Amino acid sequence: DQQVKQNSPSLSVQEGRISILNCDYTNSMFDYFLWYKKYPAEGPTFLISISSIKDKNEDGRFTVFLNKSAKHLSLHIVPSQPGDSAVYFCAASSRWETSGSRLTFGEGTQLTVNP
Amino acid sequence: NAGVTQTPKFRILKIGQSMTLQCAQDMNHNYMYWYRQDPGMGLKLIYYSVGAGITDKGEVPNGYNVSRSTTEDFPLRLELAAPSQTSVYFCASSRQVPNTGELFFGEGSRLTVL
Repeated sequence: DQQVKQNSPSLSVQEGRISILNCDYTNSMFDYFLWYKKYPAEGPTFLISISSIKDKNEDGRFTVFLNKSAKHLSLHIVPSQPGDSAVYFCAASSRWETSGSRLTFGEGTQLTVNP
Repeated sequence: NAGVTQTPKFRILKIGQSMTLQCAQDMNHNYMYWYRQDPGMGLKLIYYSVGAGITDKGEVPNGYNVSRSTTEDFPLRLELAAPSQTSVYFCASSRQVPNTGELFFGEGSRLTVL
C-alpha cells in the first residue's frame, strides 16, 4: 500500500526552464509534506515543506503547491539549473504524532537538467 | 560539523551472517531513525527512537534490531542476513522541538548479502 506516490520515475528539462515534480498521497491523515533532494552516494537533504493549512510555500527558486482536495502536491523549480539534477523525494507525515517525525516517502523522481 | 555519521559505507555479507550498522549524531537530536532504500521503492522506515532507551518498530522491522543507550548512538543490528536485506541503509535524526519534520540523513551504508 503505497501511501505516497511519485508516478514519474524521471524528468528531463532544459536549463533555465521550469521543472515540475508531482506527488500524490492517499492517507487523509497526512497534514505535513516535505521534499528532499538526493545526490548519488549522499543522504537525502531537506529542501522545502508545506503544512496543510497552506496551499503554497516559496523558498527562492523552489515553490511547493498543495491541493488538499485532490491529495496532490507539486514542486516547481524556476529557473532550473544543471546543479538541480538529483533524485527528488516527496514525503508526508501526520503532525499530530508525538513520536517523532515518521515520514512516509514516495519512490523518487530523477530530475536531469540539461545545459 | 559531522552531523550524522554512518559506518561502514559498504559491506558484503554472506547469507546467515550478522552485523551491526553504526550511526552517530552530534546535534543532540532526540529523534533517530533507520530507513532502507531499495531501487525504485523510496525509503522505508525500519525502526525509530524518540530518546535514549526508547525504540519502536517502523514499517519494515523484520530481521532487524536496534538499541539506543545514548542520545548520540543508534546502531542497527542484522541477525541472520538474507538476500532480501540487500539495500542502502540510511540513518537520520531530527529535533524534538521544534518538530518541523526535517530529518538530517547520513551518507548511507550499502549492504550486499550474497
